[in-house]
Amino acid sequence: NAGVMQNPRHLVRRRGQEARLRCSPVKGHSHVYWYRQLPEEGLKFMVYLQKENIIDESGMPKERFSAEFPKEGPSILRIQQVVRGDSAAYFCASSPALGVWGTEAFFGQGTRLTVV
Amino acid sequence: ELKVEQNPLFLSMQEGKNYTIYCNYSTTSDRLYWYRQDPGKSLESLFVLLSNGAVKQEGRLMASLDTKARLSTLHITAAVHDLSATYFCAVLNTGTASKLTFGTGTRLQVTL
Repeated sequence: NAGVMQNPRHLVRRRGQEARLRCSPVKGHSHVYWYRQLPEEGLKFMVYLQKENIIDESGMPKERFSAEFPKEGPSILRIQQVVRGDSAAYFCASSPALGVWGTEAFFGQGTRLTVV
Repeated sequence: ELKVEQNPLFLSMQEGKNYTIYCNYSTTSDRLYWYRQDPGKSLESLFVLLSNGAVKQEGRLMASLDTKARLSTLHITAAVHDLSATYFCAVLNTGTASKLTFGTGTRLQVTL
């Protein structure tokens, strides 16, 4: 759905660099989720945020990965010192309320990260 | 930990044929979702199944949910090429009420 904007769409980073992925949710949506999709696999939950709060980060690797959703501006997923295994598509989704999915929640088009 | 399994993982079928994709999940949940993903694209919501026995139909696709068996099916009737995509089922974790757990996906290829 065009309402969730992710950028960049494609990102190439060398090993050891930082990757910064941005997600602007649908206007009025205060719940943001990040998912990672490895090639030929389903989406794996990473983190759930509300404005200025991380609610559930149980799917985030303990090191190198962080996420934020500031009061103003987009949500950011940051990956420090990237490795080849970080190459994946990262999707952001937003919803207007907790636990609302289906047609009321939308996924962005994803950022495809390639680590070389 | 909630696990969601789909089968088959890959399905090649001829136009006009019928087939069913299966989605099994490991723990109790009352909400199941089906999504479609085209290559390089985002996910499109197809169906939301909220209760035992729920059946939804849209065009050539029909989805059903059996919460007692922890099983959902996506039935394709008289497939057409435009249905070629990857289909995911996803289950809502009732404990957190926040995150969806996705199946591995079924890549459907409809051939002429």
